[in-house]
Amino acid sequence: NAGVMQNPRHLVRRRGQEARLRCSPMKGHSHVYWYRQLPEEGLKFMVYLQKENIIDESGMPKERFSAEFPKEGPSILRIQQVVRGDSAAYFCASSLLAGEGLGETQYFGPGTRLLVL
Amino acid sequence: GESVGLHLPTLSVQEGDNSIINCAYSNSASDYFIWYKQESGKGPQFIIDIRSNMDKRQGQRVTVLLNKTVKHLSLQIAATQPGDSAVYFCAEKETSYGKLTFGQGTILTVHP
Repeated sequence: NAGVMQNPRHLVRRRGQEARLRCSPMKGHSHVYWYRQLPEEGLKFMVYLQKENIIDESGMPKERFSAEFPKEGPSILRIQQVVRGDSAAYFCASSLLAGEGLGETQYFGPGTRLLVL
Repeated sequence: GESVGLHLPTLSVQEGDNSIINCAYSNSASDYFIWYKQESGKGPQFIIDIRSNMDKRQGQRVTVLLNKTVKHLSLQIAATQPGDSAVYFCAEKETSYGKLTFGQGTILTVHP
């Protein structure tokens, strides 16, 4: 059973370009979360999505950032007009369920390390 | 908002010793806590979790203790091995769904 997959693993962009980060959740998981991690810091929640719906985007900047989780295909985190401050590791996690009980554990992918030059 | 914090940013132990990593949380409404291990260049790896209606939970070589009175969480690793060297994060779930709030992490270094 494959785990959470993310690609690309490393992404280099120049200021002003667009970055597209992809996340394929574990098989059977319909809950996806994106987190951002700056060097030597913990992970910060960005957005929570279910299939075709954004449930909570309170941790995602209002400008330039967007996320989707279509009915078919991976979840996408899109950053438009990247700036140097966007350089970070972006992690995706998925879970079977979201509430209490078995299945709510979030399993993380290997991350995408974005470097903005 | 409220956050999870760690008392010790670094911990060095000898192989075979027991390790204890501590975490303080401030949101009394949090009902679910998780410990993750993160190795360099990798994503967080689930270690063990505990619900707020429990005080202790054991896994393979790991034990998590929850003290709700003082809002304290700890991870105990028995017979620590060099492969346990990593950054350890505690995380709490504050909402009815799975949004996690992470602490800043503790670096565990195990010397052979």
